[in-house]
Amino acid sequence: NAGVTQTPKFQVLKTGQSMTLQCAQDMNHNSMYWYRQDPGMGLRLIYYSASEGTTDKGEVPNGYNVSRLNKREFSLRLESAAPSQTSVYFCASSVSTDTQYFGPGTRLTVL
Amino acid sequence: DQQVKQNSPSLSVQEGRISILNCDYTNSMFDYFLWYKKYPAEGPTFLISISSIKDKNEDGRFTVFLNKSAKHLSLHIVPSQPGDSAVYFCAAGTGNQFYFGTGTSLTVIP
Repeated sequence: NAGVTQTPKFQVLKTGQSMTLQCAQDMNHNSMYWYRQDPGMGLRLIYYSASEGTTDKGEVPNGYNVSRLNKREFSLRLESAAPSQTSVYFCASSVSTDTQYFGPGTRLTVL
Repeated sequence: DQQVKQNSPSLSVQEGRISILNCDYTNSMFDYFLWYKKYPAEGPTFLISISSIKDKNEDGRFTVFLNKSAKHLSLHIVPSQPGDSAVYFCAAGTGNQFYFGTGTSLTVIP
């Protein structure tokens, strides 16, 4: 039982490049989330998916797109990366609207 | 404007003593509150939660108190152990949307 897994662990991009962050959970959770964490700030919600087939914007969705591929997987895409998107990205999942379980994070640097 | 605030960036406590971490929120619609613990280079780990219908929840050495009228919650750790040294985040929200504080770095001194 791996919980929530994220790939890659680290990534360096140049401004304007695109990439997709992958997240998978094996806990049969309905809801999945993407957060970013910046120095001196708490985690901020980018997008979430309350159930398979639905996605909704969170607090800071601009510059990102998401796909809930199936119940297990929730990906985050940066179409044209910007230095302001340098951050640590965390994926999380929950049964419903309660305790969220987090992955180990992806550290992204945009040059 | 931040909806969840942790005004103490750091806290140092002697081993065996009580650690008290505080958190304030602004939105009276929030109905679920959580505390997470985070070590460097790892994701946050769930610690304890409380719903708005309660004012206290205990789990071993950890107790969370909720004061809805003051929009304030606190986490008590008794007794504190060196392994408790980490960054603690509080989170508050409703439905699927949760807001996190900026964290308090707890150091437990042996």
